[in-house]
Amino acid sequence: AQKITQTQPGMFVQEKEAVTLDCTYDTSDPSYGLFWYKQPSSGEMIFLIYQGSYDQQNATEGRYSLNFQKARKSANLVISASQLGDSAMYFCAMRVLNDYKLSFGAGTTVTVRA
Amino acid sequence: SAVISQKPSRDICQRGTSLTIQCQVDSQVTMMFWYRQQPGQSLTLIATANQGSEATYESGFVIDKFPISRPNLTFSTLTVSNMSPEDSSIYLCSVDSSGRGYNEQFFGPGTRLTVL
Repeated sequence: AQKITQTQPGMFVQEKEAVTLDCTYDTSDPSYGLFWYKQPSSGEMIFLIYQGSYDQQNATEGRYSLNFQKARKSANLVISASQLGDSAMYFCAMRVLNDYKLSFGAGTTVTVRA
Repeated sequence: SAVISQKPSRDICQRGTSLTIQCQVDSQVTMMFWYRQQPGQSLTLIATANQGSEATYESGFVIDKFPISRPNLTFSTLTVSNMSPEDSSIYLCSVDSSGRGYNEQFFGPGTRLTVL
C-alpha cells in the first residue's frame, strides 16, 4: 500500500515570496507517479504538476516546480512569487504504475498575506 | 486535458433519502473514479468505474450504499443511498488520462452535499 505524508497542516507566506510544501511518500513499487493538486475554497481540485519516478529532471509548470528527491522519497512543491490567489489547500498524491488510483496526503493549507 | 462536469454542484438533502450525482466527460475515458472528501479531510477513493463491468469498491464502501453506473465511456453516476448527516461531503469524480500519453488525472468541480 502507498502512503503519502504531508506534515505541514498550514503555512503562511508573504506575497511575492516563495513557499515550499513538503511531501514524502512510501511505496515498494519502482514505477510510480506523483501529483500535486490545489483546492481553493470552491472545492474543485486543480491539477498543478506531475513527476514520474523515472523522470530525470524535476518537473516545472510556470511558477510551480517539484523538488524530487527519489532516494529520500520526497516530492516537495515549490511555489515561486506567491500571489493572493495561491491561498488554498494543496494536496500531494501518488499512484503506482498499472494502478490508476490516487492516494492522497492530508493536505497543507497555504495562506498568502499581502 | 479532459473537461469534466458534475451535476448537481451542491444539494441539501434530508436523512433517509438518496441523491444521484452525474459526471460527464468531454472525451472517452476508460477509467473513472469517485472520491469522497469529508469536511476538513483529504480525499478518499470510493470506487473505480469501468465501462462494461461492475464498479470496484474500496474497503469501507459498499455497492448498496454507493451504487455506481457507467453506461458509456463519457458518463457515470454515483448514488448516495439512505443518507445520514455523516454522508455530508464533497463528492468528486475524476478521470485518468495516462492511456492517452498524459500523466494527469483530472477532477470534476465536485458536488457539495449536506445532509440534515
